Amino acid sequence: DIQMTQSPSSLSASVGDRVTITCRASQSISSYLNWYQQKPGKAPKLLIYAASSLQSGVPSRFSGSGSGTDFTLTISSLQPEDFATYYCQQSYSTLLFTFGPGTKVDIK
Amino acid sequence: QVQLVQSGAEVKKPGASVKVSCKASGYTFTGYYMHWVRQAPGQGLEWMGRINPNSGGTNYAQKFQGRVTMTRDTSISTAYMELSRLRSDDTAVYYCARERVAVASHTPYFDYWGQGTLVTVSS
Repeated sequence: DIQMTQSPSSLSASVGDRVTITCRASQSISSYLNWYQQKPGKAPKLLIYAASSLQSGVPSRFSGSGSGTDFTLTISSLQPEDFATYYCQQSYSTLLFTFGPGTKVDIK
Repeated sequence: QVQLVQSGAEVKKPGASVKVSCKASGYTFTGYYMHWVRQAPGQGLEWMGRINPNSGGTNYAQKFQGRVTMTRDTSISTAYMELSRLRSDDTAVYYCARERVAVASHTPYFDYWGQGTLVTVSS
């Protein structure tokens, strides 16, 4: 099975900060990597698919990069509504769509 | 507009079964795989499996094999997830999510999610 890890598990940041979250796969997954944002009590929301494609309607301050085993999600200028938990997900193996453990972004 | 509307919260006793529904609207139900993902209180997201609404074919995560059954009723555009032999650690919010595939890269991703259904397992 493909295992996903994320770092850090949590971070504190201020409005306007540049934030980077890393996701690593236990084996190469090409660009089969997606990012989701989840706020408390809400369903996850798709931000980035195929490692770097921005989902329609998602602000351009969100960007994704990487391929193979190492991926990053970057928020160029953190906004108040961005405080949430972020999950990566591999979809290389269609028999097990594994999520990373999540990164919680909160207010410094 | 695409909507996935799930059934309401459930409280079950250990050993019982629960069946959660997910009614789709705003798109061709048989054209997209439907997935089920759960989230235990304070924990991360866990993929359970998916169903092809067109054929009824399923893929289940090994962890849930033998306990989960995913079905669909195309006449009412509804997917179902039934989990049997419930335990206290099955207490979670259960989500359905629609799979879409990126045209250029063929990457599957989940573009629409239901609102979630809380299943509580308690004696």
